[in-house]
Amino acid sequence: DAGVIQSPRHEVTEMGQEVTLRCKPISGHNSLFWYRQTMMRGLELLIYFNNNVPIDDSGMPEDRFSAKMPNASFSTLKIQPSEPRDSAVYFCASSSQDRGRLDTQYFGPGTRLTVL
Amino acid sequence: AQKITQTQPGMFVQEKEAVTLDCTYDTSDPSYGLFWYKQPSSGEMIFLIYQGSYDQQNATEGRYSLNFQKARKSANLVISASQLGDSAMYFCAMREGGFKTIFGAGTRLFVKA
Repeated sequence: DAGVIQSPRHEVTEMGQEVTLRCKPISGHNSLFWYRQTMMRGLELLIYFNNNVPIDDSGMPEDRFSAKMPNASFSTLKIQPSEPRDSAVYFCASSSQDRGRLDTQYFGPGTRLTVL
Repeated sequence: AQKITQTQPGMFVQEKEAVTLDCTYDTSDPSYGLFWYKQPSSGEMIFLIYQGSYDQQNATEGRYSLNFQKARKSANLVISASQLGDSAMYFCAMREGGFKTIFGAGTRLFVKA
């Protein structure tokens, strides 16, 4: 079975440009999570969706960040305008809704974003 | 207050020996789940093992086992017979209440030949 798919794997852009990161969760999973990982702050949860509905976006750093999940198989994280401090690895993860072991989050390979 | 604490920034272990990576957590929710993930230098996050708060037995997955001490709120990862490929960053994580999962700062493990 395919795991979580993210694209692009690497993105280099200039300050002020719009960046869109994409994620396809594991089929059958109905929870989706966006994380950001930096050396300084570690792994931070940005937002998570359950059944395509945003449940908690308290981790979104500021209004420049937005996330959507138009259907069960696709989500986007958009940064507009991007800034150098947004440079990080962005992970998408998905899980089933059930508690217990089925609640395990499975991560995509990540998108390494560099903003010049 | 930190909810997941990994006190060992780095650990060294000799190949074929066992190693324990420490993790303590803090929660008032009686129902929670504990996870360990491995992040090799290639960057992906790999799920290793899960322990539920109501599980009576310690979780095991191959060479990985979780030493769950509920009263002490600790969930240490034990890797037996370390291999060179075990060199990586290891993260402890906890899910409480809803579906939000909190990650620790990680422990970098170096396996020596």
